Amino acid sequence: DGGITQSPKYLFRKEGQNVTLSCEQNLNHDAMYWYRQDPGQGLRLIYYSQIVNDFQKGDIAEGYSVSREKKESFPLTVTSAQKNPTAFYLCASSQRALSYNEQFFGPGTRLTVL
Amino acid sequence: AQSVTQPDIHITVSEGASLELRCNYSYGATPYLFWYVQSPGQGLQLLLKYFSGDTLVQGIKGFEAEFKRSQSSFNLRKPSVHWSDAAEYFCAVGVRSGGGADGLTFGKGTHLIIQP
Repeated sequence: DGGITQSPKYLFRKEGQNVTLSCEQNLNHDAMYWYRQDPGQGLRLIYYSQIVNDFQKGDIAEGYSVSREKKESFPLTVTSAQKNPTAFYLCASSQRALSYNEQFFGPGTRLTVL
Repeated sequence: AQSVTQPDIHITVSEGASLELRCNYSYGATPYLFWYVQSPGQGLQLLLKYFSGDTLVQGIKGFEAEFKRSQSSFNLRKPSVHWSDAAEYFCAVGVRSGGGADGLTFGKGTHLIIQP
């Protein structure tokens, strides 16, 4: 079955540590996205990538970094510079980075900073 | 910049009753419009989308939505809700950003509670 996988489902981090969230898709989509979801805030775009080896900042990129070395993979690193990293993180992909393309979402990773 | 407003944070509906979830957008042209649903602790699933043409759009799970340009609205409806419809619902608009790539702007969501 085609889809998007995110791992791990739950992640705990101590303050001051970097942590990397995995996102893999086998839909052969060009575009991939990372969103952050906080209660009552909806989804906010962190980073997106239209093509391999290219990515752009979204609305809340500070304290995060990404890479896109393979079409299938778009890992997100939450760095120690992110002041409030506890949140639910969602990865998505679409055939193209075009606004009429449906975005398909992974199941999410819940990050808790201890 | 575009924005999406979902005026109702929570809505409670009795099982079998009809449902309408409101969505208003702000954008200078006709956007692309989407409704997504999220079950607790899960990702988002697309219910339906509007690009052009017929302003009444049918989606999955018996949902429909109507685009009203004059009201900048894209309200989601269902004639008879089931307990399994309890979830978080997000309205989103797709526009062409100044950066050259397109993205979605999401509303803050409406939490639907179903009473037995």
